[in-house]
Amino acid sequence: DAGVTQSPTHLIKTRGQQVTLRCSPKSGHDTVSWYQQALGQGPQFIFQYYEEEERQRGNFPDRFSGHQFPNYSSELNVNALLLGDSALYLCASRTGTCMRNYGYTFGSGTRLTVV
Amino acid sequence: GQQLNQSPQSMFIQEGEDVSMNCTSSSIFNTWLWYKQDPGEGPVLLIALYKAGELTSNGRLTAQFGITRKDSFLNISASIPSDVGIYFCAFVNFGNEKLTFGTGTRLTIIP
Repeated sequence: DAGVTQSPTHLIKTRGQQVTLRCSPKSGHDTVSWYQQALGQGPQFIFQYYEEEERQRGNFPDRFSGHQFPNYSSELNVNALLLGDSALYLCASRTGTCMRNYGYTFGSGTRLTVV
Repeated sequence: GQQLNQSPQSMFIQEGEDVSMNCTSSSIFNTWLWYKQDPGEGPVLLIALYKAGELTSNGRLTAQFGITRKDSFLNISASIPSDVGIYFCAFVNFGNEKLTFGTGTRLTIIP
């Protein structure tokens, strides 16, 4: 049973460019959250998608946007990349039906480097 | 905003030693989570705590939800090489999807 799958694993972009990261949730999961993890820090919540809608958002600018598809997979888009956007981007999924189920399954992440 | 202090930042121990780390927050929360992250991987949930005073074990790991609901600790007994990694605490409130993570404790085992 595949867990959370993220692609690509590594990416190098130039400042000002746009990037799209992809996530397939664990089988049976319908809720997807995205996190940004800077080097030496804990993950920071970007936003969460459920039923193809953004349900909650962290303290990130509008340059960060997302989408969830009918098959529950999700994309994270970042526009006008800054050097400070360099980080590990993690996708986490869970089933949204149990309010006390915080057993999120995390993917291995996409390492984004902005030069 | 809510602050989460995790200590120590790093630990260097010998195999077989016991380990203890803790997290304190400036606010009250109703769920504490402990995660471990290996290099090149995402965090993996170790233990979830839902009630003040709750003490939960998972093999050699034991975690407790502080009675004030503002702190939690994680103990690892008889450490082994595969315990190496970064341990994160995180908190969340019911109805809120945002996990707030601490800055992590890096555990290294000295040969």
